[in-house]
Amino acid sequence: DVKVTQSSRYLVKRTGEKVFLECVQDMDHENMFWYRQDPGLGLRLIYFSYDVKMKEKGDIPEGYSVSREKKERFSLILESASTNQTSMYLCASSLAGTDTQYFGPGTRLTVL
Amino acid sequence: DQQVKQNSPSLSVQEGRISILNCDYTNSMFDYFLWYKKYPAEGPTFLISISSIKDKNEDGRFTVFLNKSAKHLSLHIVPSQPGDSAVYFCAGGTASKLTFGTGTRLQVTL
Repeated sequence: DVKVTQSSRYLVKRTGEKVFLECVQDMDHENMFWYRQDPGLGLRLIYFSYDVKMKEKGDIPEGYSVSREKKERFSLILESASTNQTSMYLCASSLAGTDTQYFGPGTRLTVL
Repeated sequence: DQQVKQNSPSLSVQEGRISILNCDYTNSMFDYFLWYKKYPAEGPTFLISISSIKDKNEDGRFTVFLNKSAKHLSLHIVPSQPGDSAVYFCAGGTASKLTFGTGTRLQVTL
């Protein structure tokens, strides 16, 4: 069964803090993605990766970076958290050459 | 520029009736379309998809219709059940990347 896990369900951080969100998948998927979901805006792609050490900017990469050192793990980094980064963060993975993505449960991040 | 649009933020349907969720897109390069269902505090789960070369795909109570000339797709749920109450996202896919709409909240009432 497909499994994508995210390190935290809820996280509260202060403005200016460095924040790490971790995502792990056990399906041996090549592709991994980070989205944020905000009311009225749907899911917006932040960054994605087609392979280890590779990363591509999505639609809203500003203020974020990513790391993919191992195939199963994709980390999202907020270098200096700001209040406008308060959101639900969703990680997903997919097999190379396919469109169906499988999502983790999400991390609700609040930046105070 | 919003490439995928779901113009109805919410929809209420009686149990047993048909639910029709609509989606419009502008990007002709999408080669696949998908519908996801999302419950609160959970990640989206894949529901059904359709290739851009087809016009219909059916899976149990769920059917997706694609009208390429109108750049429109719809999800039909028949019969609707209370457990179908959730937010539904449509997405267009190309090169393994998905572009999502803003979602439609479906409420199935008893």
